[in-house]
Amino acid sequence: SAVISQKPSRDICQRGTSLTIQCQVDSQVTMMFWYRQQPGQSLTLIATANQGSEATYESGFVIDKFPISRPNLTFSTLTVSNMSPEDSSIYLCSATGDYEQYFGPGTRLTVT
Amino acid sequence: LAKTTQPISMDSYEGQEVNITCSHNNIATNDYITWYQQFPSQGPRFIIQGYKTKVTNEVASLFIPADRKSSTLSLPRVSLSDTAVYYCLVKTTDSWGKLQFGAGTQVVVTP
Repeated sequence: SAVISQKPSRDICQRGTSLTIQCQVDSQVTMMFWYRQQPGQSLTLIATANQGSEATYESGFVIDKFPISRPNLTFSTLTVSNMSPEDSSIYLCSATGDYEQYFGPGTRLTVT
Repeated sequence: LAKTTQPISMDSYEGQEVNITCSHNNIATNDYITWYQQFPSQGPRFIIQGYKTKVTNEVASLFIPADRKSSTLSLPRVSLSDTAVYYCLVKTTDSWGKLQFGAGTQVVVTP
């Protein structure tokens, strides 16, 4: 199994600023992902964080808005850039195990 | 990825069995059916996964008929702590970690 931690757990940010969310996995994993969960909604995949190369984004998400880094097999960051109130969501990091997908506790972001 | 359809909500009393049926009419030959559980303020947690027939673990059972167009998650003797959202997902071997979440089923267990 893998245990995933995220920092910060929550934050309140002003419109127009950026926030970087960190994701740490307690073991090396092949694949890492970032999801968004808007209030009262289900999870939506933002991108695949590729180790050593540019992230792969899903339709509707772009690198300029959500730059992602993955410098090694246990760590990734997601930046939410130039934030607006519509970016208020929970952002979750995920990693693939042999059989199942593991999720972090999420980062609750509120943009005012 | 095959789209899934499941009830929006289900209510149950403690000690009862809860069965959540999910429809996935367009499931492909190489797809697996997997279920996740999510508590408030937590990330989803894997419950069970199967390909066909029946799978059982210490938490739940998963029943998949021969045509695989639906599946049923069975939670035996639920307790208050089983109150959560349950997601039915179809996983393709081509994109193993890229999960497409539907709306999920909110299960509320009352005393």
